[in-house]
Amino acid sequence: DGGITQSPKYLFRKEGQNVTLSCEQNLNHDAMYWYRQDPGQGLRLIYYSQIVNDFQKGDIAEGYSVSREKKESFPLTVTSAQKNPTAFYLCASSNVRNQPQHFGDGTRLSIL
Amino acid sequence: GENVEQHPSTLSVQEGDSAVIKCTYSDSASNYFPWYKQELGKRPQLIIDIRSNVGEKKDQRIAVTLNKTAKHFSLHITETQPEDSAVYFCAAPGTGGSYIPTFGRGTSLIVHP
Repeated sequence: DGGITQSPKYLFRKEGQNVTLSCEQNLNHDAMYWYRQDPGQGLRLIYYSQIVNDFQKGDIAEGYSVSREKKESFPLTVTSAQKNPTAFYLCASSNVRNQPQHFGDGTRLSIL
Repeated sequence: GENVEQHPSTLSVQEGDSAVIKCTYSDSASNYFPWYKQELGKRPQLIIDIRSNVGEKKDQRIAVTLNKTAKHFSLHITETQPEDSAVYFCAAPGTGGSYIPTFGRGTSLIVHP
C-alpha cells in the first residue's frame, strides 16, 4: 500500500542510543498507530494518535516516545530506556471508526 | 475493553483443502470485523471484512461469517494454495469513540503442496 511510508527498512541501535523511526502517510487519515511485532507474535500497540498534537499510550509504551506535529507524520523514538528493542515495528493509519487499517512496510530494528 | 481470542494458533492443511480460523470477541457493541494476511517479513494487508448488518461475505475463495449472538466470526478459505501460507489476524473495534482495534494473536496457516 503506497499510502504509508516507513523508513528506514533496517536500523541498528548502539547501546545508550536513541533512534527514530519515520512514518508518513498521504491517505489523509486522522488516526495513526505504532505496533511492535516480535518473532511469531501478534501486534502489540505502542502508541496511537487520533488527531494532530495528541497521542495516547498503548499497551507497551515504556521506553518509547512519539510526536504528532503534522497529520501526515507520526515518528517513533526508541529510547535507551527500552532495553529489548529488537523487533519489527509497524506503523498504521485509519480514518473514521470501523474502517480498515493501512500498514507500512515496517522497520526491522536490531541492537549492535 | 474488547477482548479478542483467535484459534487455532497454527493450522496445517494440504493444498486443495479448506481452512477455517475462528475469533471470538467480548463487546456486543462491536460492529466491524476485518481480517488481515501477513506474509513473512511483510506488512499485514486487509483481505476481507464484515459489518454487523450481514452474516456472511464472500470474495472468491475467501469468506467471512459472523454470529453476533454467539459473538464470533470466522475466516473460511476454500481450495487452499501454497501462496495462502501466511499469518492471519482478526480484529474487532475499540469501544466508545476509540479508533483502536484489538487484534487476535494470529494464526499461522501452512499449506502443503
